[in-house]
Amino acid sequence: DAKTTQPNSMESNEEEPVHLPCNHSTISGTDYIHWYRQLPSQGPEYVIHGLTSNVNNRMASLAIAEDRKSSTLILHRATLRDAAVYYCILRASNTGNQFYFGTGTSLTVIP
Amino acid sequence: DTAVSQTPKYLVTQMGNDKSIKCEQNLGHDTMYWYKQDSKKFLKIMFSYNNKELIINETVPNRFSPKSPDKAHLNLHINSLELGDSAVYFCASSRQGINYGYTFGSGTRLTVV
Repeated sequence: DAKTTQPNSMESNEEEPVHLPCNHSTISGTDYIHWYRQLPSQGPEYVIHGLTSNVNNRMASLAIAEDRKSSTLILHRATLRDAAVYYCILRASNTGNQFYFGTGTSLTVIP
Repeated sequence: DTAVSQTPKYLVTQMGNDKSIKCEQNLGHDTMYWYKQDSKKFLKIMFSYNNKELIINETVPNRFSPKSPDKAHLNLHINSLELGDSAVYFCASSRQGINYGYTFGSGTRLTVV
């Protein structure tokens, strides 16, 4: 399964932007980059995904490096409700389309 | 309407018992999954299933078996429960293809005593 590397934890002040990095140096050309988050006591929740181009949606932006070996999830204004574990995952056709979760980044938002 | 619903939300049972967790999705998705999240919060794929193929993670004991009566349901049966089976189990569904995301249920907390 394709691997991703994320920092274990990050902190952000409320209402400031947050940049959550992810390294995926072994990514192959057809792997999609997905981001999920898990709030306390809830199931994982889809945030955003992309292949090559940067992506924006109402929750976040995804910036993908030109060589695709890394990506950054951007929360434009962190709120207390954004405190969660954020997972960066590669979805690959050679793994039966399954998601393999890593340890993720635990984001703390400071009021 | 809940997109992916699991029942029960909590399940406490004794060692050696057999139990089932139900999962239903109303999204019209082709593929359903079961994940286990242990006490260290690590999410591990157990099964993925569509109407053509069952993929089983090789580390899952054969006491665990998925059963799908139709495309909208994937139930998890567990025989001879052990203490180590205590965890939160999440059901998920998606369209087939790697360009689609998953929708997860809210989880079933299983406690084996």
